[in-house]
Amino acid sequence: GDSVTQMEGPVTLSEEAFLTINCTYTATGYPSLFWYVQYPGEGLQLLLKATKADDKGSNKGFEATYRKETTSFHLEKGSVQVSDSAVYFCALSGRGGADGLTFGKGTHLIIQP
Amino acid sequence: GAGVSQSPRYKVAKRGQDVALRCDPISGHVSLFWYQQALGQGPEFLTYFQNEAQLDKSGLPSDRFFAERPEGSVSTLKIQRTQQEDSAVYLCASSPGTDTQYFGPGTRLTVL
Repeated sequence: GDSVTQMEGPVTLSEEAFLTINCTYTATGYPSLFWYVQYPGEGLQLLLKATKADDKGSNKGFEATYRKETTSFHLEKGSVQVSDSAVYFCALSGRGGADGLTFGKGTHLIIQP
Repeated sequence: GAGVSQSPRYKVAKRGQDVALRCDPISGHVSLFWYQQALGQGPEFLTYFQNEAQLDKSGLPSDRFFAERPEGSVSTLKIQRTQQEDSAVYLCASSPGTDTQYFGPGTRLTVL
């Protein structure tokens, strides 16, 4: 079945550091890929998505590129802020709107001032 | 506009009790999903509705779990004879039929 593997946390960085959170996936066909974020005390929010190979999703300074050859969708940000502290989830959808999402276990990101 | 809402936000049940969790999706969204999120884990898919039809219930962990969406809008997830391993956050998400899902705040269920 489909699966998502993302780097274990917590990841602790200083403000303005470069961020990479690795995500790789296993799926049949051509899934859509997502990053969701969960801020403390809040629900899951869609951060960005990509629906086909080589697409780049971006939002709020975060970027991720759909790499079919390496089955990866790594999340990056050039300069993190304290307000980026949250749990980040990589996810895939195998059949567009007719499919439940398969999530990774989440990566807790802590940004220190 | 209003997002996905869930009630109650917190529920404490004694082992063996039945519970019912409610989800109000975004108006007009045809697709509705339920997920279970254990502490420190990612959400896991439970079931999916398109309008009132339950098209996939492959993630329901046992026959104690039952979901319905009788009029294609509000949905209820029912857990009968709750067990301690049912303690989790239950998330509801809705979608207009695209691959993007919008999540509610969740219901945290604690079974004592």
